[in-house]
Amino acid sequence: AQSVTQLGSHVSVSEGALVLLRCNYSSSVPPYLFWYVQYPNQGLQLLLKYTSAATLVKGINGFEAEFKKSETSFHLTKPSAHMSDAAEYFCAVSPMDSNYQLIWGAGTKLIIKP
Amino acid sequence: DAGVTQSPTHLIKTRGQQVTLRCSPKSGHDTVSWYQQALGQGPQFIFQYYEEEERQRGNFPDRFSGHQFPNYSSELNVNALLLGDSALYLCASSFQGRANYGYTFGSGTRLTVV
Repeated sequence: AQSVTQLGSHVSVSEGALVLLRCNYSSSVPPYLFWYVQYPNQGLQLLLKYTSAATLVKGINGFEAEFKKSETSFHLTKPSAHMSDAAEYFCAVSPMDSNYQLIWGAGTKLIIKP
Repeated sequence: DAGVTQSPTHLIKTRGQQVTLRCSPKSGHDTVSWYQQALGQGPQFIFQYYEEEERQRGNFPDRFSGHQFPNYSSELNVNALLLGDSALYLCASSFQGRANYGYTFGSGTRLTVV
């Protein structure tokens, strides 16, 4: 069964610093990979997705993620954090042969210090 | 363009009662998926409805049932409520239900069982 691990339930960075949120997946075959963001009292919004094209994926709000098959990772980065980036971030996978559901990590809450 | 609409936004029920949650998909979408998100956790897939039928189901008991109407809107029904059913219930709509096309999420229904 596929699973997703997000390292760190909380990550705190200073405004202007690099943001790095980690995601590792467990799957015998590389799946589709996603990052979603959830602001307080809101639903989930797609940041970016990997669907077997380019391994470096650019998303909205300046975020990007790199798929590394050898490390089964899909870490999310942003060069310079803004206060508005404070939210919870979820990594999710979907198997390519049964692409009708998302399997989610537990989430990482990003805290931005002024 | 209206996104995904869920109702009600909040609900308090007593153990043993039944509840119905509603979802209207984004315009142009024909598939509705339901997810349960317990506090501090990632969402868990309940089921997906496409062409008015349940196409795929997660690891949830039969107390959880659903329906999709000809206009693509959907209902989630939960019978014999347990305290553990307290969670945020998220509806996601998509075109043909494929995760790699991207899901649009509603803001959710917060269900509290007392």
